[in-house]
Amino acid sequence: QVQLQESGPGLVKPSETLSLTCSVSGVSISNTHYYWAWIRQPPGKGLEWIGDVYYTGSTFYNPSLKSRVTISVDTSKNCFSLRLSSVAATDTTIYYCARRLSHRGTFDYWGQGTLVAVSS
Amino acid sequence: DIQMTQSPSTLSASVGDRVTITCRASQSISSWLAWYQQEPGKAPKLLIYKASDLESGVPSRFSGSGSGTEFTLTISSLQPDDFATYYCQQYNSYPWTFGQGTKVEIK
Repeated sequence: QVQLQESGPGLVKPSETLSLTCSVSGVSISNTHYYWAWIRQPPGKGLEWIGDVYYTGSTFYNPSLKSRVTISVDTSKNCFSLRLSSVAATDTTIYYCARRLSHRGTFDYWGQGTLVAVSS
Repeated sequence: DIQMTQSPSTLSASVGDRVTITCRASQSISSWLAWYQQEPGKAPKLLIYKASDLESGVPSRFSGSGSGTEFTLTISSLQPDDFATYYCQQYNSYPWTFGQGTKVEIK
């Protein structure tokens, strides 16, 4: 079955770059029916879409984060990645990776989420 | 950005109750609205898409309605597994945006 799993450091220093990877199993990341997304959620708060990537490398980013975000895809490893630069305490949150159907904007499979804290 | 506003923020109900949650969009999103359920410590789960279409495997006690700017999620008879937080999400246009959530608590 389809599974997504986030991995990466749980602690990042202020002003540094947060890097996370989402490993996908049960479906090819090159499947033309899907985009691959990052979404975040401060503990106890609401959801914020960060951005999407298609297997071709085409990306869409939330304008509120666009200047600091890079999402990339590695089809050979069936995974995709998030880089968020110049992090601050407000970037302390749970980061989810998710699959989005390419013909609509809903997220049908999610990773379990990973908490990243920004602290010195 | 399209702002999504849910009401109420918290709802207290009992098993068997009929529950309705409202989601309003700051501009028309046609029927491009989804609902998710999130249990504590878990990722959100897609319940409904295109305002009223039930995702495969979701119990029929969940239903959605609305179009334009006003939408509702109804749980016809609340079950113990339904005590969770519910989010609406618009996918009419980028950036995709979510409501702030409605927590359904045990009364």
